[in-house]
Amino acid sequence: NAGVTQTPKFRVLKTGQSMTLLCAQDMNHEYMYWYRQDPGMGLRLIHYSVGEGTTAKGEVPDGYNVSRLKKQNFLLGLESAAPSQTSVYFCASSYPDRTAGYTFGSGTRLTVV
Amino acid sequence: AQSVAQPEDQVNVAEGNPLTVKCTYSVSGNPYLFWYVQYPNRGLQFLLKYITGDNLVKGSYGFEAEFNKSQTSFHLKKPSALVSDSALYFCAVRDANSGYSTLTFGKGTMLLVSP
Repeated sequence: NAGVTQTPKFRVLKTGQSMTLLCAQDMNHEYMYWYRQDPGMGLRLIHYSVGEGTTAKGEVPDGYNVSRLKKQNFLLGLESAAPSQTSVYFCASSYPDRTAGYTFGSGTRLTVV
Repeated sequence: AQSVAQPEDQVNVAEGNPLTVKCTYSVSGNPYLFWYVQYPNRGLQFLLKYITGDNLVKGSYGFEAEFNKSQTSFHLKKPSALVSDSALYFCAVRDANSGYSTLTFGKGTMLLVSP
């Protein structure tokens, strides 16, 4: 039972490069989320999805795009990476229930130089 | 709008002593409240949640939390701390009366338990 799997776990990018972070869940969760974690800032929501083919902006969406082509996968893209996007990125998923908590992946540590 | 405050960046406690990690919240309706723990280089793990009913909620690893509606607080507690409890703790809230809303997390409190 893998839960939420994020790939890659680590990545170093040069400014201006692009990349895609992959999140996969095997719990048949309807909702999926991307957060970034920065020291002293806690967790901030980037984008989320309430179902296959639907996405919505969170608190800090600028510079990121997302896609949810399959229910089990949620992709986070950086088209032109900037040093300000150096962070730890977490994916999470949940049932469509207001009482439900999230299941988190183990994170991707991204450094943009 | 919903928000969470964790007023302490760090809490230090000696092993065997009781610990408290503080959390206050703000929602327009009733709250659904959650605590998560993050160990180094790991994702967040669910500890416990308050939805309704008994104000004292018991969770994983011997942790419990007390919901206080008048003080809009949901403090995390443990009667006897272990060194292995050292980690980053996050409180989160969702407004129960707002249709669907995502969880809003606090900034986290680092708990350090000394031997």
